Amino acid sequence: EADIYQTPRYLVIGTGKKITLECSQTMGHDKMYWYQQDPGMELHLIHYSYGVNSTEKGDLSSESTVSRIRTEHFPLTLESARPSHTSQYLCASISSDEQFFGPGTRLTVL
Amino acid sequence: KNQVEQSPQSLIILEGKNCTLQCNYTVSPFSNLRWYKQDTGRGPVSLTIMTFSENTKSNGRYTATLDADTKQSSLHITASQLSDSASYICVVSDRGSTLGRLYFGRGTQLTVWP
Repeated sequence: EADIYQTPRYLVIGTGKKITLECSQTMGHDKMYWYQQDPGMELHLIHYSYGVNSTEKGDLSSESTVSRIRTEHFPLTLESARPSHTSQYLCASISSDEQFFGPGTRLTVL
Repeated sequence: KNQVEQSPQSLIILEGKNCTLQCNYTVSPFSNLRWYKQDTGRGPVSLTIMTFSENTKSNGRYTATLDADTKQSSLHITASQLSDSASYICVVSDRGSTLGRLYFGRGTQLTVWP
């Protein structure tokens, strides 16, 4: 089983709040990813990192930002949450040719 | 346009029955194809991964096939169990996941009834 963790698992917040979704992996992987997934829809890549101090935007435009100060940690931040940000956010890391996913954070913005 | 299409969108079967899920893709160049199982509210978990030269791969009761010529893959589940209820996602990589991109299907939602 992959050692990749996400917190919180569920989050309900009000519009305008600043939030940070945490993602950590203990496998020493350089490459990490954030995906957004709406119910019944495919995963969309919103951010990725190839290592410390490396961050890139993915295919789907997102108002969130990420940072990669340590190899094991890849947090995602929303400065001002809106109802349109309601979704499931999945963090992943990669080793050789295998991608491991975290359990996800279900975000609801009221 | 690189795409991954899965069918059916949803499927209901009785416990103990077999089923087959389909995946068609237009991703090029092709590197590998993965099948993932995603339980509700959880992250996807890898079932199989196949490269261009592999036609079939099994993981317990799960058997995936790949026809790289027709760009089709299938996932066959044998003797289904209640715990098989989940979304099954087909993912195609265009140049190897270390350099290339991953293209995700929308998944097939499988429900197994007792």
